[in-house]
Amino acid sequence: GAVVSQHPSRVICKSGTSVKIECRSLDFQATTMFWYRQFPKQSLMLMATSNEGSKATYEQGVEKDKFLINHASLTLSTLTVTSAHPEDSSFYICSARDYRFNSPLHFGNGTRLTVT
Amino acid sequence: QQQVKQSPQSLIVQKGGISIINCAYENTAFDYFPWYQQFPGKGPALLIAIRPDVSEKKEGRFTISFNKSAKQFSLHIMDSQPGDSATYFCAASKETSGSRLTFGEGTQLTVNP
Repeated sequence: GAVVSQHPSRVICKSGTSVKIECRSLDFQATTMFWYRQFPKQSLMLMATSNEGSKATYEQGVEKDKFLINHASLTLSTLTVTSAHPEDSSFYICSARDYRFNSPLHFGNGTRLTVT
Repeated sequence: QQQVKQSPQSLIVQKGGISIINCAYENTAFDYFPWYQQFPGKGPALLIAIRPDVSEKKEGRFTISFNKSAKQFSLHIMDSQPGDSATYFCAASKETSGSRLTFGEGTQLTVNP
């Protein structure tokens, strides 16, 4: 079945540095990918919609200059957290759907970001 | 504004019992209602989903009941097992928008042996 792979699964970085998270669709082409953030014991909150070959669409309240999204190919989207601060520590999860209409959404296994 | 409300926040069930989790939505434009299961440190996995043209859908031990007039839907887990212990999220989307899911708050299910 369709698989979404996320890398790395865990990352620790120092405050002020940037970190990149990759999301790959392994056996299907994903024209659209979604990035979610989940704080401990909370729900998933949609951050942005990543569209292949065009600019990402950010949800209200999400800083586009802080969370840079690039979707350069049909199988890869990246989220870069720039100038990370401890409050950015969270579980980041990507999801993607097959380009065929009405296919289900598949989620990656998430990236645990800890900013010290 | 929370568009999908989920209850209960936590649920403890004995092995073999029925687990019931409820969700209510506000946006009548929603037309796709999935349930996801999430284990600690993992991404959510799709369990079962329903569209508003049916009132019930069953897959194995999992059943979704859907009440369009009340704008409510629920997940029933029959013969609950300790391995079902996880966090369950309901969600909703307008399919025409391409699966931008709005999630409920989540229910932490514990099935005691």
